[in-house]
Amino acid sequence: DAGVIQSPRHEVTEMGQEVTLRCKPISGHNSLFWYRQTMMRGLELLIYFNNNVPIDDSGMPEDRFSAKMPNASFSTLKIQPSEPRDSAVYFCASQQKNIQYFGAGTRLSVL
Amino acid sequence: QKEVEQDPGPLSVPEGAIVSLNCTYSNSAFQYFMWYRQYSRKGPELLMYTYSSGNKEDGRFTAQVDKSSKYISLFIRDSQPSDSATYLCATISNTGNQFYFGTGTSLTVIP
Repeated sequence: DAGVIQSPRHEVTEMGQEVTLRCKPISGHNSLFWYRQTMMRGLELLIYFNNNVPIDDSGMPEDRFSAKMPNASFSTLKIQPSEPRDSAVYFCASQQKNIQYFGAGTRLSVL
Repeated sequence: QKEVEQDPGPLSVPEGAIVSLNCTYSNSAFQYFMWYRQYSRKGPELLMYTYSSGNKEDGRFTAQVDKSSKYISLFIRDSQPSDSATYLCATISNTGNQFYFGTGTSLTVIP
């Protein structure tokens, strides 16, 4: 298996633009997590899905953030409109039993 | 109080040294404990996984859990420059749905 696949690896955009991050979890994993990582705050859980259903989105910072999982093999995290403070590395992880497997991340820079 | 607390470092040691990385956790009900390693510009990857108390050894790495003091440790023997990375401790809720990560300790092993 290729592991968790995220795209794009890098995204540079201007404030106010819409940003869409993509994730393909490992086949057969039923849970998917979106995290944001910064130097100051470490890894922060944004939202997680179980069997494609959002379970806990309490970590989503505000209404500008939204996430979807239309099927078991694809999820998106959207930021609209983006702001400079959204600059971070965004990770997607899928889980099997008690182990999470992370993608390589999307490094987002909002200018 | 955060569920998992970790000293961010940074930690710098000479090659061959023994490294000790530590975390504390808040909830005595936690049973599963993990150490993830994150190389620069990569996603975290699982390094060690332990259940309940005691030690687990894998090559040069030993994970230790002391439930009486709610303390988890990772020891690296004969450290190598390739061990230079950020190490994150983690635990998981008993429902298996919520991961709690430490902020990570940055380790540099100097040749």
